[in-house]
Amino acid sequence: QKEVEQDPGPLSVPEGAIVSLNCTYSNSAFQYFMWYRQYSRKGPELLMYTYSSGNKEDGRFTAQVDKSSKYISLFIRDSQPSDSATYLCAMSSPFNKFYFGSGTKLNVKP
Amino acid sequence: GAGVSQSPSNKVTEKGKDVELRCDPISGHTALYWYRQSLGQGLEFLIYFQGNSAPDKSGLPSDRFSAERTGGSVSTLTIQRTQQEDSAVYLCASSLFRRDRGYTEAFFGQGTRLTVV
Repeated sequence: QKEVEQDPGPLSVPEGAIVSLNCTYSNSAFQYFMWYRQYSRKGPELLMYTYSSGNKEDGRFTAQVDKSSKYISLFIRDSQPSDSATYLCAMSSPFNKFYFGSGTKLNVKP
Repeated sequence: GAGVSQSPSNKVTEKGKDVELRCDPISGHTALYWYRQSLGQGLEFLIYFQGNSAPDKSGLPSDRFSAERTGGSVSTLTIQRTQQEDSAVYLCASSLFRRDRGYTEAFFGQGTRLTVV
């Protein structure tokens, strides 16, 4: 079993839709949870970070962590064509290496 | 430089040849990762270096793959006797523990696009 599981998609939605991206994990020691965004032919860049459980909001983006279910989500409200990218979840325990999901490709159609 | 630098950005090689991919991490970053990314497989972990510790090689797909990191800085990923299934984008990342925020952030290079013909 992989440490982190992520549905590869692709996910195609119309502009303005609410998008939900998800990852599950198996290691209960993970405390830091991150979402990276990767545009075509670019390296991934950090989008959002959350420590432990709870929600974090940044503009149209909300990151949610449920440690009891070992499940994290990224919600995108009012999705835009410019949100089209691959989204990767990542997590780690303190001072230890990252574990990344394989990435979900999102396409927002105008 | 300001970010993680990878070279070459593109590499076309003949099946059976050896290739070397280079990664220059951000100065001062103690951790360095190599990943492979392909359409069918998504992002795959290859190897992890942390300071002077023995590298975590658990993601290397075969003994044709090896990597080293010299002087705790520059890293080279070597693929021997390349096969067509090795065609992918190879990404390098280095990371820094953010004491002001209490978490570790990874910074990625732009990747090397390897095509084996």
